[in-house]
Amino acid sequence: DVKVTQSSRYLVKRTGEKVFLECVQDMDHENMFWYRQDPGLGLRLIYFSYDVKMKEKGDIPEGYSVSREKKERFSLILESASTNQTSMYLCASSLGQGSGGYTFGSGTRLTVV
Amino acid sequence: GQNIDQPTEMTATEGAIVQINCTYQTSGFNGLFWYQQHAGEAPTFLSYNVLDGLEEKGRFSSFLSRSKGYSYLLLKELQMKDSASYLCAVIRLTGGGNKLTFGTGTQLKVEL
Repeated sequence: DVKVTQSSRYLVKRTGEKVFLECVQDMDHENMFWYRQDPGLGLRLIYFSYDVKMKEKGDIPEGYSVSREKKERFSLILESASTNQTSMYLCASSLGQGSGGYTFGSGTRLTVV
Repeated sequence: GQNIDQPTEMTATEGAIVQINCTYQTSGFNGLFWYQQHAGEAPTFLSYNVLDGLEEKGRFSSFLSRSKGYSYLLLKELQMKDSASYLCAVIRLTGGGNKLTFGTGTQLKVEL
């Protein structure tokens, strides 16, 4: 089974801090994604990457950046955390066109105080 | 852009059948997923449709009509453990690869 691992399950950070959320997948998938999930809004795509060093903006990229230096690792960066970035962050990966399904990590619940 | 609509909540009885609908509007359509998500957990894959028609997998079936921008997830012989959020998601091909966008989810409550 594909495993997508997110480095932290729970994280508390202060406003203005730089925050790194890490995601690693172990099945050589080309595509990786970062979503945030908020009540009533569902999962919203922040950024995605279809290859090493490639990135594409999703629907809500403002306030975030990403890094994909290695195929297995996709990092989400909050340059200066704000309270409205308190959310559940989910990483996912998929192979090729994605018909085989997207596998999600278990999520990181980030609280910005 | 794209728009994905599904009902916010549904309630059904254990042992019954329930149908959860999803409508979408998108360019570059390349498939539709249904995911199940229990509270506090990650979404798990249920089904994938890219061609019109019905895909059956055990108690779960999913239907797609591309011309109508419509899909449904059918759950048979409902069990209490089926109480969860069901997420409809559409793949769109963009210049930069696949983009998977989710609806807001349908919260299904299964009652005795």
